[in-house]
Amino acid sequence: ETGVTQSPTHLIKTRGQQVTLRCSSQSGHNTVSWYQQALGQGPQFIFQYYREEENGRGNFPPRFSGLQFPNYSSELNVNALELDDSALYLCASSLGTENYEQYFGPGTRLTVT
Amino acid sequence: AQSVTQLDSHVSVSEGTPVLLRCNYSSSYSPSLFWYVQHPNKGLQLLLKYTSAATLVKGINGFEAEFKKSETSFHLTKPSAHMSDAAEYFCVVSGKGSSNTGKLIFGQGTTLQVKP
Repeated sequence: ETGVTQSPTHLIKTRGQQVTLRCSSQSGHNTVSWYQQALGQGPQFIFQYYREEENGRGNFPPRFSGLQFPNYSSELNVNALELDDSALYLCASSLGTENYEQYFGPGTRLTVT
Repeated sequence: AQSVTQLDSHVSVSEGTPVLLRCNYSSSYSPSLFWYVQHPNKGLQLLLKYTSAATLVKGINGFEAEFKKSETSFHLTKPSAHMSDAAEYFCVVSGKGSSNTGKLIFGQGTTLQVKP
């Protein structure tokens, strides 16, 4: 059984640029959730994808967007990067939208300069 | 709305002594509650979960938590700390309601330091 994987591991971008982060869900899981973890904070929910549709969104602006593909993998896109977007971005997969047992990937560390 | 409050940002114990990490929750629904652990440069690992079955929940690595509805608490304990337990611990409540279903709501985290 393959766990949740994320790429890249680390990324450095300049303010105003755009970034795409990728996530492969655990085998058999059809739901992907994304979280942002700022330094010294708990993770904050960005959004969730199920059946290639957004299924719930946290308090993040529209420049945070996502996709889910037929194989359940997912992308997080952030446009017009701001310094405060520097954080660890975590992807979690689960089986179903109301299954709260979510399995997390190792994260992508994004630094915006 | 749902929320969690971790009462200690930092806990320091000696190896072999008990661990207590405190968490209070707020939820207008019957909550599902979790504890996750995060080691440096690693992802989040589920330690244990409460989903309205037994109130005393046993998890991995000897950790336990007790759901106390009257106190709205879900404290994490371990009888004897190991050096490998040093990490960041998060208390988590499930989001419920039309805009929150499927969402996990994290506390701010407690850093556990284990001294030799």
